[in-house]
Amino acid sequence: LAKTTQPISMDSYEGQEVNITCSHNNIATNDYITWYQQFPSQGPRFIIQGYKTKVTNEVASLFIPADRKSSTLSLPRVSLSDTAVYYCLGDNFNKFYFGSGTKLNVKP
Amino acid sequence: SQTIHQWPATLVQPVGSPLSLECTVEGTSNPNLYWYRQAAGRGLQLLFYSVGIGQISSEVPQNLSASRPQDRQFILSSKKLLLSDSGFYLCAWSPPISGILSSYNEQFFGPGTRLTVL
Repeated sequence: LAKTTQPISMDSYEGQEVNITCSHNNIATNDYITWYQQFPSQGPRFIIQGYKTKVTNEVASLFIPADRKSSTLSLPRVSLSDTAVYYCLGDNFNKFYFGSGTKLNVKP
Repeated sequence: SQTIHQWPATLVQPVGSPLSLECTVEGTSNPNLYWYRQAAGRGLQLLFYSVGIGQISSEVPQNLSASRPQDRQFILSSKKLLLSDSGFYLCAWSPPISGILSSYNEQFFGPGTRLTVL
């Protein structure tokens, strides 16, 4: 089971690209890396998931190096509405473990 | 489309009282179901998960229990609440896993229940 480590908080300004890195040194061969976004008083929402290299969807990109011991969530041109907590987790079959996440604060 | 419901939305209970939180999922069959708790300003703590009716796995020993009486119903219970049980309780579901490498195991969360134990 992959334990994850990510920064507690980050500040950014509107229009900037934000990169949040997560380390998962003990990731297992069959673990995927998944990122979620959570707003206050709501459940987390899936952002993106990947196994290796790069994955891109309409809201974010996920970069995973060859050793898979870390991953970077990239949010292009953030807005105030992107202020939230971002979690990375390594999932193993049916189990999901959320750490404390990274609180992203986007300023005007 | 699939939807997940939780109730009640908020709950204030005295210490020592019982608890029952319910979660139901619509639009899917044999989902994996999860209960999480989130203390104020903290991350999500996985409490229980279930891969089928009557199959419950506990992640954290405590005074809470879970049951899955029907395929798409997941219940979180306690006989006697503690002050430390206060928090935001989230139910989630994910599609059942097939194969060794799960290619699609996104979790979908309910609206949550805010529990305050006084």
